Amino acid sequence: DTEVTQTPKHLVMGMTNKKSLKCEQHMGHRAMYWYKQKAKKPPELMFVYSYEKLSINESVPSRFSPECPNSSLLNLHLHALQPEDSALYLCASSQVGGGIPNTGELFFGEGSRLTVL
Amino acid sequence: AQSVTQPDIHITVSEGASLELRCNYSYGATPYLFWYVQSPGQGLQLLLKYFSGDTLVQGIKGFEAEFKRSQSSFNLRKPSVHWSDAAEYFCAGHRSNFGNEKLTFGTGTRLTIIP
Repeated sequence: DTEVTQTPKHLVMGMTNKKSLKCEQHMGHRAMYWYKQKAKKPPELMFVYSYEKLSINESVPSRFSPECPNSSLLNLHLHALQPEDSALYLCASSQVGGGIPNTGELFFGEGSRLTVL
Repeated sequence: AQSVTQPDIHITVSEGASLELRCNYSYGATPYLFWYVQSPGQGLQLLLKYFSGDTLVQGIKGFEAEFKRSQSSFNLRKPSVHWSDAAEYFCAGHRSNFGNEKLTFGTGTRLTIIP
């Protein structure tokens, strides 16, 4: 059982729609991540939040807008997407700070499969 | 630049046979190393990790990996594969203790199991 929960599991949207992907973790992790994964490729990092502040934006187009309302929640707001944005979107979390070494170990959710028509 | 290389794109193994998936890393110092598995349409599940110490690491589902500094390798092994092991396998590395450091993934190895 994954301790990172993503909703919805599947999402179909038109290019003019506005939708959101949601991610929740209750492991007390203070870093949360969004990855995009195309078929047969490794995950590509999009955003990192550390202590609820955006710490990394991998030059992601502004049609993707992340939000971290609190330490347990991470959202990805989607607007005016293109068909090439269709992919599996993975949320992950990791333990950082508090004297714990930053090992890079990530805990992934099951992903949200996005299809843009 | 840090990198992780998985030389094999696709491997086919008979059920019950042994398995070895290759992973090589290029880092200035010993990185933290991971193997993740991904079943179709699913997220990534951590199989095992190496931080330091014993170079033979045991993981879940009967997998193990051996860290070899001299070969810059962290190969994944299983003595006898099961049909349920068919999946995509990703090796990943992280530069030790650097803040804002990103996990670097290899390109993945797709494992097919034949009866």
